[in-house]
Amino acid sequence: DIQMTQSPSTLSASVGDRVTITCRASQSIGSWLAWYQLKPGKAPKVLIYKASTLESGVPSRFSGSGSGTEFTLTISSLHPDDFASYYCQHYNNYWPFGQGTKVEIK
Amino acid sequence: EVQLVESGGGLVQPGGSLRLSCAASGFTFSLYNMHWVRQAPGKGLEWVSYISNSDTVYYADSVKGRFTISRDDAKNSLYLQMNSLRAEDTAVYYCARSIGWLDPWGQGTLVTVSS
Repeated sequence: DIQMTQSPSTLSASVGDRVTITCRASQSIGSWLAWYQLKPGKAPKVLIYKASTLESGVPSRFSGSGSGTEFTLTISSLHPDDFASYYCQHYNNYWPFGQGTKVEIK
Repeated sequence: EVQLVESGGGLVQPGGSLRLSCAASGFTFSLYNMHWVRQAPGKGLEWVSYISNSDTVYYADSVKGRFTISRDDAKNSLYLQMNSLRAEDTAVYYCARSIGWLDPWGQGTLVTVSS
């Protein structure tokens, strides 16, 4: 089974900071990777798919990169609305998630 | 508007059963594969189950043999029958449409397994 390892588990940052979250796959997954944002009481939302394609309507401060086994989600300048949890997920060989990253206010 | 709305959650005793439903609207439900995903309190997302538009199903090892996913295309609905429930099944359960990745998701329904 493919395992997804995400880091860090918690990230403390300030509005305006550049934030990077890393996701590693236990074997090569090509570009079959999505990133999701979770907020309490709300439906999870896809931000990025195919590792680097920005979902329609998602602000351009979000970007994704990587292929094979190493991937990153970057928020170029943190907005107040971005304090949330983020998850990576592989979606071509079952659907494993990373452990999640909570972005909290510093 | 594409929308998914889960229902059927609640409090159930260990060993009990519960059936979750997910009502789909705004798209041709019969054409799409669907998922159930859960998040236990204080934990991360866990993929639970998948059903294709031709009824091929897959389950996470943690629920295999206890949970059954099904769909009724005439009612635009997805279901999760959960039997032999355990405390560790306590979670918010989300349904999601599969387009490769998962999009959209419902807002979830809370299942609490406790005596």
